[in-house]
This record gives sequence, structure tokens and C-alpha cells, in this order.
Amino acid sequence: QLQLQESGPRLVKTSETLSLTCTVSGGSISTSFYYWGWIRQPPGKGLEWIGSIYYSGSTYYNPSLKSRVTISVDTSKNQFSLRLSSVTAADTAVYYCAPERTTGRWFDPWGQGTLVTVSS
Amino acid sequence: QSVLTQPPSVSGAPGQRVTISCTGSSSNIGAGYDVHWYHQLPGTAPKLLIYNNNNRPSGVPDRFSGSKSGTSASLAITGLQAEDEADYYCQSYDTSLSGYVFGPGTKVTVL
Repeated sequence: QLQLQESGPRLVKTSETLSLTCTVSGGSISTSFYYWGWIRQPPGKGLEWIGSIYYSGSTYYNPSLKSRVTISVDTSKNQFSLRLSSVTAADTAVYYCAPERTTGRWFDPWGQGTLVTVSS
Repeated sequence: QSVLTQPPSVSGAPGQRVTISCTGSSSNIGAGYDVHWYHQLPGTAPKLLIYNNNNRPSGVPDRFSGSKSGTSASLAITGLQAEDEADYYCQSYDTSLSGYVFGPGTKVTVL
């Protein structure tokens, strides 16, 4: 049973870079069954897909965030990471990580999420 | 502004049947991309409810069912229970946006 856990700073200053790591347990990140994705949810709002990465390092991003997003993978640590640069208050959100089934493109299971607040 | 539209809210009495629509376009649902459904209890992470339009993961009660036709999909909940009060989101892929899209969410209230 896969389990995912997000970690990283909960408070980021405006214009700086948000960095989060997702640790995968209960299975290997180096599997052909999944991409590994990041999704966020601003307080009181809906869900927004940020991007996904394959264990080989292949990535694809939400075009609306692509210029600011980098997702990387560390197979030795069974982790993947998110970096979002030049953040503003609009980037304040709960950030979730989740595996994305390669054969079906759904996300399951989700990490518990971590609230990141952007403030000056 | 989401490319998938859902009603903001639906409600029903215990035991009733409610449906939630997810309307897209020719660049997502109408293009043949599958629809997935999640529910989210307050303060918790979303949980997969239906995948590939009409499939339930292990452990999801058969009170939940999904369907897809044309540029729309629907989630039905029969025998509504108090524990079904949650936000429900549809998700698909959009070829124009080259990425995954979620509906804005529907809040289900059990009267």
C-alpha cells in the first residue's frame, strides 16, 4: 500500500522559491506503473494540477505554471520534489503529492497535504 | 475558470439519490479522455472514488457509480448517507491545455 508524505517549509517569503519533498513508502518510486504528481488547493478553493514526473526524470507541467515549476526525482531516496519560484500570495495553498497511474491518469492515493503560506 | 463545470452544490435527504454532473468539451471529455471522481471530507486529502468513468476502487461502496456520455460525465450517489457530506471533484485531461484539469467541485449536503 503506497503512502506519501509531503515535507518542507510552511512559510515562504514573497518572490522566493517554494520547495517541497514527497517521500514515498510502501513501494518503489522506480516503477512503470506510476508518474508522480503534485496538486495544490488554495484555501477554500478547488484543485489545480501542477505537474508530474516519471522515475526516469521525464516531466510534464501545467502550462500556466511551467515557467516557474521544476519537479525532480531522487530514486535513491524514493522521493520526488517540487520547486516553485517567484512565489506570490496566490501560491498559498495546500500542496499534495500523489501517484498518477500511467495507464489511466488518475491520482491515488494522495498524501495528507501540507499548507504553504506565502507572505512578505 | 475551470474547463470542467460542476454544480456548486447538491443536496438530498438520507436514502435519496443525488447526481453530480461534470460538463466538459471536445478538448477533454468529448475527446475521449476518461473522467475520474474524488471526494474530499473537510480538512482531509481528496480520495479516489471512481476511475475511468465508471470503475470503483476496492473499498468504495457500490452506492457510488459513474457514467460518461459525449462531453459530460456524472456521479450518482444512491442511498445517501450523512457520511457522504463532502466536496466532490471530477478530473480529466485536456488536450488544448496539455494537462490535467479538475472541476470546481460540488458540495454535497445531506439534509
